[in-house]
Amino acid sequence: ETGVTQSPTHLIKTRGQQVTLRCSSQSGHNTVSWYQQALGQGPQFIFQYYREEKNGRGNFPPRFSGLQFPNYSSELNVNALELDDSALYLCASSLDRTNTEAFFGQGTRLTVV
Amino acid sequence: AQSVTQLDSQVPVFEEAPVELRCNYSSSVSVYLFWYVQYPNQGLQLLLKYLSGSTLVESINGFEAEFNKSQTSFHLRKPSVHISDTAEYFCAVSEMDSSYKLIFGSGTRLLVRP
Repeated sequence: ETGVTQSPTHLIKTRGQQVTLRCSSQSGHNTVSWYQQALGQGPQFIFQYYREEKNGRGNFPPRFSGLQFPNYSSELNVNALELDDSALYLCASSLDRTNTEAFFGQGTRLTVV
Repeated sequence: AQSVTQLDSQVPVFEEAPVELRCNYSSSVSVYLFWYVQYPNQGLQLLLKYLSGSTLVESINGFEAEFNKSQTSFHLRKPSVHISDTAEYFCAVSEMDSSYKLIFGSGTRLLVRP
């Protein structure tokens, strides 16, 4: 059984650029959620995919978009990066959309300069 | 809208002392409740959860939490802490709606001193 893996682990981008973050879900899990964790704060829900369909979105602008693939891996895309996008981005996978046992990856640390 | 409040940003405690980390939530519908732990430079790990049934839930490493519906609380306790318990602890809720998204509190840093 493999865990949730995210890539890359660290990333530095310039304001205005675009970034793609990737997440491989745990074997057997069909639900992936993305969270943004700013320094010193709790994770904030970005969106969730269940069986390749988006079934929830948090209070983030449209420049945050995502995708879930048939193998249930996922990616998070952020366009027109802003300084405030600097954060730890966490991916969580679950057996189903109820998230009663969500497993988190180690995150991608994004720094926007 | 649901929200989670963790009033204590940091809790310093001596090794082998008891500790309580407080969590209160607000929601108009039924919820699931969770405690996650985050060690430095790592993701979150599920510590324990309340879904239904007994209001007292326990983890394998000695933590326990009690769901109190009337006070909308889910405080985390441990009777005797270890140095290795030093970490950030997050309380989270999910409403039983279409997405079951996790809403997290701002976290409490537990600092265990020798």
